[in-house]
Amino acid sequence: DTAVSQTPKYLVTQMGNDKSIKCEQNLGHDTMYWYKQDSKKFLKIMFSYNNKELIINETVPNRFSPKSPDKAHLNLHINSLELGDSAVYFCASSPPASGGTDTQYFGPGTRLTVL
Amino acid sequence: KQEVTQIPAALSVPEGENLVLNCSFTDSAIYNLQWFRQDPGKGLTSLLLIQSSQREQTSGRLNASLDKSSGRSTLYIAASQPGDSATYLCAVRPGDSWGKLQFGAGTQVVVTP
Repeated sequence: DTAVSQTPKYLVTQMGNDKSIKCEQNLGHDTMYWYKQDSKKFLKIMFSYNNKELIINETVPNRFSPKSPDKAHLNLHINSLELGDSAVYFCASSPPASGGTDTQYFGPGTRLTVL
Repeated sequence: KQEVTQIPAALSVPEGENLVLNCSFTDSAIYNLQWFRQDPGKGLTSLLLIQSSQREQTSGRLNASLDKSSGRSTLYIAASQPGDSATYLCAVRPGDSWGKLQFGAGTQVVVTP
């Protein structure tokens, strides 16, 4: 009965490879997000999708491409991985905003290590 | 540009003491403010959300206050327990951005038995 799930939990790969991280939510939310947490533990938003449409794209290199096949899924594909891409990537979702009560629910994170 | 700061960066208290965690933000035009808890190797758990029109929210031993005009929020945890050991993150949703949360760097809390 996991609310927001991500796969894989750990990902170790070589520079230059292409990899994908998957995210699924069973909360019936309309909006999903990808965040990156770097080595200094700072969380920064990367993308947000609402009803499968991109609404936030925060100056992320175009090697990162989110894909939302349906409302419940938001996958992150990364091309030509670089050392600086090593981080923990979190997926989140939220219900439609209603009076400012749009709590975001986070997945467990995917720790990506690029060698 | 909104900036979110959390002080202190780390805090260690003996069990039973009250915890006071501070969050400040530079732009008072916020939609809401959330406090999260992050355990090592785990995702974030939402603790409290305060809407911009509210002054505080309470849940059990947790109480969060919001003073928008001065750009501050405080999270109080009463009678701390070792299970409260975690990193606490404050995040604001700017009023002009749809759903985007801006996080502080967090306060790492250790409660010693």
